[in-house]
Amino acid sequence: EVQLVESGGGLAQPGRSLRLSCVASGFIFNDYAIHWVRQAPGKGLEWVSSISWNSGDIGYADSVKGRFTISRDNAKQSLYLQMNSLRAEDTAFYYCAKALSMILVRGPFDYWGQGTLVTVSS
Amino acid sequence: EIVMTQSPATLSVSPGERATLSCRASQSVSSNLAWYQQKPGQAPRLLIYGAYTRATGFPARFSGSGSGTEFTLTISSLQSDDFAVYYCQQYNNWPLTFGGGTKVEIK
Repeated sequence: EVQLVESGGGLAQPGRSLRLSCVASGFIFNDYAIHWVRQAPGKGLEWVSSISWNSGDIGYADSVKGRFTISRDNAKQSLYLQMNSLRAEDTAFYYCAKALSMILVRGPFDYWGQGTLVTVSS
Repeated sequence: EIVMTQSPATLSVSPGERATLSCRASQSVSSNLAWYQQKPGQAPRLLIYGAYTRATGFPARFSGSGSGTEFTLTISSLQSDDFAVYYCQQYNNWPLTFGGGTKVEIK
């Protein structure tokens, strides 16, 4: 059974940092691109970042570029999102999601974690 | 950036009726279009990809159509389990973008 479990969310003050983790199981992790998608409470979905199987292809939304860094450790079947210079508008549930295809890095996303809530507030 | 526009924002439908949801892209995304279903308190689930291929676990009453800039998700006969929010997403170009969602509610 494919599982993605996020952790690391919580309350952070504006300007501070948080690091999210996503641990995967049930599939060959290093064969697939993995993505971060966020959803502000009561709002729609927003793509945040993606990383290819070998970390050779990485993309960011403009809203987080220069502040967030995505990375992965295939040996640990883990994905990370380092979030620096946090802003109130970064408050959201953060989901990690697995790419459907081994070939297409950009998606779609066939399995999602349950999400971890990041709240940025003073 | 490709802007995805979904309509209507809310669709009120009686059980057993047909629901038609629309998604429009600001430029062509070919057939690189997915639909997701999200219920309250849950993560989204992949419903349709490649514009018309149904994902595992969804019944045949769900169907997708379209290509280029105009796409449709049709639920032929709504069941109680289908009331949810539906999002379209293009994965043809970076950045990946989602539509604002259509909430399908009980009439």
